[in-house]
Amino acid sequence: AQSVTQLDSHVSVSEGTPVLLRCNYSSSYSPSLFWYVQHPNKGLQLLLKYTSAATLVKGINGFEAEFKKSETSFHLTKPSAHMSDAAEYFCVVSGGTGKLIFGQGTTLQVKP
Amino acid sequence: DAGVIQSPRHEVTEMGQEVTLRCKPISGHDYLFWYRQTMMRGLELLIYFNNNVPIDDSGMPEDRFSAKMPNASFSTLKIQPSEPRDSAVYFCASSAEGGSVYEQYFGPGTRLTVT
Repeated sequence: AQSVTQLDSHVSVSEGTPVLLRCNYSSSYSPSLFWYVQHPNKGLQLLLKYTSAATLVKGINGFEAEFKKSETSFHLTKPSAHMSDAAEYFCVVSGGTGKLIFGQGTTLQVKP
Repeated sequence: DAGVIQSPRHEVTEMGQEVTLRCKPISGHDYLFWYRQTMMRGLELLIYFNNNVPIDDSGMPEDRFSAKMPNASFSTLKIQPSEPRDSAVYFCASSAEGGSVYEQYFGPGTRLTVT
């Protein structure tokens, strides 16, 4: 069975400092992995996706994630946080048959 | 494309009333998903369809909830009778069948308040 674990429920950074949101996955086959972002009172938006091509995936708004099979990780990073990055972030694995398995989410707070 | 369209965006109703939420998926997408999001339980998959056929409804809380997809461009989620604990944001999402990617596109959600 497929699952994801987001290691931090809440991350706080200062504007201009790096962002690291951690995600570990479990999958019985080569997974497709995603990061989605949800701004307050909005729907979920795809940030980036990994589909067994390059292990370093670049997404929108300067975010990127690296797939590490040996560590079963798919951490999300950004070199410099912006106030507009404050949101909820979800790590997601494809569950097969069209389903997505969502992590519990990490709230990113960006302080001025 | 306009993306996934949901209506209404906000719904306030009294306990016991029937509530119908609507969703129009992205044209050409084969899959449609209904999710519920609350602070307590996070994001939950309620039911999903493939080519208008319900595939997995194991997330539907109880018989008060029902979902239909009469055609490829329209789906409804109905709650009858509604209860205060049904208050949540309900999202519809759609995706296209293509290998193992299954990237989903989400609508803006319907915020339901049952008093």
